[in-house]
Amino acid sequence: NAGVMQNPRHLVRRRGQEARLRCSPMKGHSHVYWYRQLPEEGLKFMVYLQKENIIDESGMPKERFSAEFPKEGPSILRIQQVVRGDSAAYFCASAGPGGDNEQFFGPGTRLTVL
Amino acid sequence: AQSVTQLGSHVSVSEGALVLLRCNYSSSVPPYLFWYVQYPNQGLQLLLKYTSAATLVKGINGFEAEFKKSETSFHLTKPSAHMSDAAEYFCAVSDSRNYGQNFVFGPGTRLSVLP
Repeated sequence: NAGVMQNPRHLVRRRGQEARLRCSPMKGHSHVYWYRQLPEEGLKFMVYLQKENIIDESGMPKERFSAEFPKEGPSILRIQQVVRGDSAAYFCASAGPGGDNEQFFGPGTRLTVL
Repeated sequence: AQSVTQLGSHVSVSEGALVLLRCNYSSSVPPYLFWYVQYPNQGLQLLLKYTSAATLVKGINGFEAEFKKSETSFHLTKPSAHMSDAAEYFCAVSDSRNYGQNFVFGPGTRLSVLP
């Protein structure tokens, strides 16, 4: 049973470009969460999605950031017009129906903005 | 609202010594509590979790944690540190009544193990 998959693992972008981060949840999981980890800091919640729905985006910056989790395919975190401050590790987690809220984390995508 | 504090951003212990990593939480609802470990340039791996069953929870790699409601604490311990335990440790809280609620993470504690 494959775990949560994220790609790419490393992404380099120049200022002003777009970054697309992908997350494939564990099989059978319908809940996806995105977190951001800035250097030397803990993880900060960004957005919580279920299939085709954004449930909670209270942690998302108001501009340039968007997320989706389509009926088919992976969840996408999209950052438009990246700036140096967007450089961070972005982690995706997934959870299944029912249970005790345990979230399973992917290996992360490390975004570097030059 | 929920929050997590981890006392000590960096803890150093000698190999074979007791490991104690502190976590205190604030929650207006019954919490679920988690400890995750992160090795350099890797994702988070679950060490253990408290989900309202036994207050003393045993996890992987010899770690355990005790939920103390009166102290709003969930400290992580290991009797004897191993070099391979050197990593970043994160405590997290979620709302036990609200399935799917996102986690609130503490800032992390970096554990160093000295030979």
